[in-house]
This record gives sequence, C-alpha cells and structure tokens, in this order.
Amino acid sequence: DGGITQSPKYLFRKEGQNVTLSCEQNLNHDAMYWYRQDPGQGLRLIYYSQIVNDFQKGDIAEGYSVSREKKESFPLTVTSAQKNPTAFYLCASSKQGYGYTFGSGTRLTVV
Amino acid sequence: AQSVSQHNHHVILSEAASLELGCNYSYGGTVNLFWYVQYPGQHLQLLLKYFSGDPLVKGIKGFEAEFIKSKFSFNLRKPSVQWSDTAEYFCAESRPGGSYIPTFGRGTSLIVHP
Repeated sequence: DGGITQSPKYLFRKEGQNVTLSCEQNLNHDAMYWYRQDPGQGLRLIYYSQIVNDFQKGDIAEGYSVSREKKESFPLTVTSAQKNPTAFYLCASSKQGYGYTFGSGTRLTVV
Repeated sequence: AQSVSQHNHHVILSEAASLELGCNYSYGGTVNLFWYVQYPGQHLQLLLKYFSGDPLVKGIKGFEAEFIKSKFSFNLRKPSVQWSDTAEYFCAESRPGGSYIPTFGRGTSLIVHP
C-alpha cells in the first residue's frame, strides 16, 4: 500500500543535540511538507519541497533544516538552535495539491 | 495573519446531536478547501474536499460541508454525531495555480459523550 512513513514514532533529545526525523513516501508525490503541531495552535509549516533538490522555508523554519535528495525522502533536522523543539511533527505529501497525505507523526521531547 | 479561522476551539456534544464546525478563509481568489480529522493517537485523515462545482460536498462517515463563497466559509456538518466522532478537526485551504501549500486552521476539539 502506498503511504508516508515517519520514524521514529517517539524521539528524545538532549539539550544542544541535533536530531533528524525521517519521512519517506512511495506515492510518487512531487511535493512534501513538514508541519509542527502544538496544542491549540494547529499545524504550522516548517519547510516544504515541490521538487527534488529544492525546498523553501515555511512560517517557522528557524532552528530547522531539511534536504530533498530523492523524491521519496524529505528528512527534517531539528538543530540545537531550535529553542522549543518539544512538539509533534507531521510530514505530508501531495501531487499538485489535490489532497494531502499525512504520516503518523513523530513526537519529539527534549530531556 | 491566519488565513484560515476556526471559531470553535472546543465543542462538547451528546450522541445524536447535530454538529456544525465553523471555518472561514480570507483569500479572495480561487481556493481549494479541505477538512481533516485526527482521531486520538492517529494521523490526519481527509474527511472531504472542495475544488469546484457543487458547493455542497459530501465526505466520509456522514460528514458534509458547504462552500459559501460570499461568506468565505466552508463549515463542516453532521446531522447526528456518534461517540466515535470524538477527534480534532482541521480546516485547510490551498491556492491552485501557485504553490498549493496547505494552510491549516488551529483545529476544533470535539468531544461526544455517549
């Protein structure tokens, strides 16, 4: 079955550490997105990519980085510069905006 | 500024009650509109979407939404809710012809008491 796989499901980060969240899709979608979900704030866009080797900052890109070396993969790195990284991170993909498929999310906690 | 507004942040209903969740968007051009649902512990799932045509859109699980262009609204409705409808509901819009980036509202938490 086609879909989006996010891993790991839970991730713990120490202060000052960089961590990378994985997002893989086998839907042949061109566009991929990373969102951060916090209670009462909905989904906020971190980064998006519409084609391989190209990506754009979203509304809250500071402290995050991404790469898009393959169509299927769009990993997100949460760097030590992100001051409040504890959140639920969602990856999504779409083909020309005709509906968006979401992964099951990664819950990141700073310890 | 938030381009998608969901006015009800928390809604509590009893089973069999009718549901209407408000969603307003601000973009004056052509928009695609979506409603997503997130059941506890699960990922976001598409309930329904509107691109063009009949403004009354029917989705899964008995949900429907009406696009009213003059009011910039896309409210979600269900005539009779069930306990299993307890979830968080998100309205979203994207703009065809451009980047198609979806913008989400802040969500509405629905609790249905049995």
